[in-house]
Amino acid sequence: GENVEQHPSTLSVQEGDSAVIKCTYSDSASNYFPWYKQELGKGPQLIIDIRSNVGEKKDQRIAVTLNKTAKHFSLHITETQPEDSAVYFCAARYNQGGKLIFGQGTELSVKP
Amino acid sequence: DVKVTQSSRYLVKRTGEKVFLECVQDMDHENMFWYRQDPGLGLRLIYFSYDVKMKEKGDIPEGYSVSREKKERFSLILESASTNQTSMYLCASSSGPAVAFFGQGTRLTVV
Repeated sequence: GENVEQHPSTLSVQEGDSAVIKCTYSDSASNYFPWYKQELGKGPQLIIDIRSNVGEKKDQRIAVTLNKTAKHFSLHITETQPEDSAVYFCAARYNQGGKLIFGQGTELSVKP
Repeated sequence: DVKVTQSSRYLVKRTGEKVFLECVQDMDHENMFWYRQDPGLGLRLIYFSYDVKMKEKGDIPEGYSVSREKKERFSLILESASTNQTSMYLCASSSGPAVAFFGQGTRLTVV
């Protein structure tokens, strides 16, 4: 069935280092892949997304890459800062019904 | 500014009670969603709606129902609350299935 696997579940980095979170999806027809950041006590917020006709997208310190052949996509955060600490979710949009299927989440901790 | 508002941040209900979770969006979005968030499981879709009076089951609809009488309001109903429905509930809306704006969440505890 439809599934999105996200790794790692927790990630701890030093301020200034890079962080990478990876997701794999099961439906080769998926065509849209958003990433969300959820800060403590808040709902998830869209931070970047990528469509299946693009291999990479950047927005300042964050970037997302997509490998359609391998059916995986990744979030890259460079020069991490303590305010990047949050739970990050990946998602994939499946054609049937157009609904989003979410990964399990990654708790990122950036230590000053 | 885009806004999805959930009526309660925290709720404590007793087993067997009928529970209503309300969600309102002010963006004139057609699509609204209810998700449940549990540690290690991510966000799981309970129900969604693409139009007024329309509803579709998500991945975990059992024990829940929804109501969408007006475009801006989408209610989640727990017909008879059980302890395994203790969770964080998130409402979202979008103008297409691609992007979702989330509310701040309702943490429900069933005792």
